[in-house]
Amino acid sequence: DVKVTQSSRYLVKRTGEKVFLECVQDMDHENMFWYRQDPGLGLRLIYFSYDVKMKEKGDIPEGYSVSREKKERFSLILESASTNQTSMYLCASSARGSGANVLTFGAGSRLTVL
Amino acid sequence: QKEVEQNSGPLSVPEGAIASLNCTYSDRVSQSFFWYRQYSGKSPELIMSIYSNGDKEDGRFTAQLNKASQYVSLLIRDSQPSDSATYLCAVRNTGNQFYFGTGTSLTVIP
Repeated sequence: DVKVTQSSRYLVKRTGEKVFLECVQDMDHENMFWYRQDPGLGLRLIYFSYDVKMKEKGDIPEGYSVSREKKERFSLILESASTNQTSMYLCASSARGSGANVLTFGAGSRLTVL
Repeated sequence: QKEVEQNSGPLSVPEGAIASLNCTYSDRVSQSFFWYRQYSGKSPELIMSIYSNGDKEDGRFTAQLNKASQYVSLLIRDSQPSDSATYLCAVRNTGNQFYFGTGTSLTVIP
């Protein structure tokens, strides 16, 4: 069974803390994505990556950075967490080519910033 | 203008009825269209994809695409209480980015 695994389901952090959200996929997918989901706003793309060490900004990259040192792992970093980053964070992956049409999500990481 | 727009609902239908969910998109060159289902507290799961004009049926689900009108819909026949969820419309652009609507909340009343 193919999987996208997010390391933490629930996190509570304080304002100003550095936060790491980890995502690992076992499908050998080239493409990986980070979204955040907020009520009334839907899923918004933060960053995506098409290959190792490659990253592209999505619609709302401010306050976030990413790292992709290995094909299977895509990390989202909040350098200095703020309360407006309280959200559900969803990682997803897809293959290149015809498989690029299928986006598989992880279970999500619900982050609360106090 | 948002890339993908959906009526947020909520939409309520009685058990056994047809639920109709609608979506419009702004990028005319989009090629791939999807419907995801998301149960409360869970992540989205793909239920339908459609790439060409017309209808695509899979069990109780039918996706309809009209590229000229930039319109995608999902019909759920014989709706069941287990279909109660939020349905997300998604569009993949030529840059391989996926854009999602805000979702339509569906409740099927037993």
